[in-house]
Amino acid sequence: GENVEQHPSTLSVQEGDSAVIKCTYSDSASNYFPWYKQELGKGPQLIIDIRSNVGEKKDQRIAVTLNKTAKHFSLHITETQPEDSAVYFCAAKTGANNLFFGTGTRLTVIP
Amino acid sequence: DVKVTQSSRYLVKRTGEKVFLECVQDMDHENMFWYRQDPGLGLRLIYFSYDVKMKEKGDIPEGYSVSREKKERFSLILESASTNQTSMYLCASSFSGQGRGDYGYTFGSGTRLTVV
Repeated sequence: GENVEQHPSTLSVQEGDSAVIKCTYSDSASNYFPWYKQELGKGPQLIIDIRSNVGEKKDQRIAVTLNKTAKHFSLHITETQPEDSAVYFCAAKTGANNLFFGTGTRLTVIP
Repeated sequence: DVKVTQSSRYLVKRTGEKVFLECVQDMDHENMFWYRQDPGLGLRLIYFSYDVKMKEKGDIPEGYSVSREKKERFSLILESASTNQTSMYLCASSFSGQGRGDYGYTFGSGTRLTVV
């Protein structure tokens, strides 16, 4: 089955700096890659996603890049703010229905 | 506009009790999932269901069972709760198939279960 690895497990940045979280996947058939943000005491929320026919997608301060050849994808957050502090999960979908999740990155934005 | 509702936010049960965790979604999703979340281990899939009365084992089904009698409801059952089942439990749902399935999962807020 699919194996998704996520790095780093923790990340601290100064407010205003950029944050980058990286994931690799093993199954070349994976075709959909969402990112989730989980705030304290809440369930994960979808923040951005990318499909295998696209190399990059941007939504305001967040962007995701996908390198299918290398089988990795990354989340980029620019101009970080304290409210960006959360746990972020990447995921990859192989087949029609199931997502495989990374182990999460705890991002702390220091005011 | 809550879309995936888990019946309890916090639950405390005794060892050996039978525990029911309920999840209801109002988005007409075909797929429903139960995960547990533990520090350092990420999200681990317990069971999932692609349709009413259908169920599939995930990565860690031991000690759990599920029930899906209606499309909108997916129940997780701990047959005899043990302390190592103390965890955060997350329910999720999604559309099925290529295309419609490419919108990821919608998660509930989670149930933090403590077994004493």
